[in-house]
Amino acid sequence: AQTVTQSQPEMSVQEAETVTLSCTYDTSENNYYLFWYKQPPSRQMILVIRQEAYKQQNATENRFSVNFQKAAKSFSLKISDSQLGDTAMYFCAFMKQTGANSKLTFGKGITLSVRP
Amino acid sequence: DAGVTQSPTHLIKTRGQQVTLRCSPKSGHDTVSWYQQALGQGPQFIFQYYEEEERQRGNFPDRFSGHQFPNYSSELNVNALLLGDSALYLCASSLVGRTNQPQHFGDGTRLSIL
Repeated sequence: AQTVTQSQPEMSVQEAETVTLSCTYDTSENNYYLFWYKQPPSRQMILVIRQEAYKQQNATENRFSVNFQKAAKSFSLKISDSQLGDTAMYFCAFMKQTGANSKLTFGKGITLSVRP
Repeated sequence: DAGVTQSPTHLIKTRGQQVTLRCSPKSGHDTVSWYQQALGQGPQFIFQYYEEEERQRGNFPDRFSGHQFPNYSSELNVNALLLGDSALYLCASSLVGRTNQPQHFGDGTRLSIL
């Protein structure tokens, strides 16, 4: 079974600054995906960024980038130039890479507050 | 392009009652997954439906059951409701075999048990 751990319950950052959210996971699988999802108060789970485990290059999406350390089973999210709209809960999630669709395993999440 | 839609948005029930939640997947998707998200926690996988059959199931009791219709929409049924069933229920849709494409989530149904 897979587990995802987010040990920081909440973080705060000043607008325009950079913040890093931590995530570790445990699995015996070799092929899998890792995700960061954002959930604002509107409740909808929004995909922020995705990383395929077989790719050594860290994924980047505009202001969002990850630091993927496969051997250490670590997957952190860096948000640059933080904006007020980044205030939300952030979830790290794991999915096995299989022929069919697989379930997502989520961490407990971290509440990020961006201060004006 | 219609995304994932869930109904109702909010529901209040009492202990022992039964509830049905509904989900319409994103256009072009054929697989529906249901998740339970307790307050302040991450979503927990309940089960997944494809071709009108339950394909995977998480660690949830038989009180939780589901159904998928020929048009790919899905229902989640919970019997004998307990206070602990109070949560946000999220539906996610995807296309089978396309694991390189993310699951799309709906806005969820907030279920409150009194």
